[in-house]
Amino acid sequence: RKEVEQDPGPFNVPEGATVAFNCTYSNSASQSFFWYRQDCRKEPKLLMSVYSSGNEDGRFTAQLNRASQYISLLIRDSKLSDSATYHCVVNGDYKLSFGAGTTVTVRA
Amino acid sequence: NAGVMQNPRHLVRRRGQEARLRCSPMKGHSHVYWYRQLPEEGLKFMVYLQKENIIDESGMPKERFSAEFPKEGPSILRIQQVVRGDSAAYFCASSLSGGAADTQYFGPGTRLTVL
Repeated sequence: RKEVEQDPGPFNVPEGATVAFNCTYSNSASQSFFWYRQDCRKEPKLLMSVYSSGNEDGRFTAQLNRASQYISLLIRDSKLSDSATYHCVVNGDYKLSFGAGTTVTVRA
Repeated sequence: NAGVMQNPRHLVRRRGQEARLRCSPMKGHSHVYWYRQLPEEGLKFMVYLQKENIIDESGMPKERFSAEFPKEGPSILRIQQVVRGDSAAYFCASSLSGGAADTQYFGPGTRLTVL
């Protein structure tokens, strides 16, 4: 079983739409949770950390459910520049465990 | 402030040759991590190093792969006798400390192609 499972998508949405996707993780001892964004053939970049209370950063909202071992990301008012692959990432110590990524394409 | 630097960005090797990938961490960072990404997959942890020490190499294949982070100079990931299956993107990350909550910053990666 993979440590982090994600729906690969792709999610094709029009500009201005709301898109949401999630992941599950298998290691209940995981301590830190993140969403990383990766553009085609580039390095992953930290989008946001995810906290148990849920947190928001502009148009992005992340939720964590430790009991269900489930993490979600919601993007409101999608922009063309949001087109990317979004990786769910968990960290138990120092090793980041990446999901395979969810591809989002925002069309004009 | 320079970020994490990796070179070369692209590397082509024939089967059986050696590949050397270099990583210079962000200024002030002494913790370095190497990850490998195959097409359509997430990054997979390979090795974690601090200056002159390998802390965890549990993700590294037992044969042909080695890593170092000398006192002076960049971290090196070395792959001997490369095979086609080694073709991948290799990303290096660095952090200020080694804690679970510490942000890892990634370099642009080295794309290795084995012919």
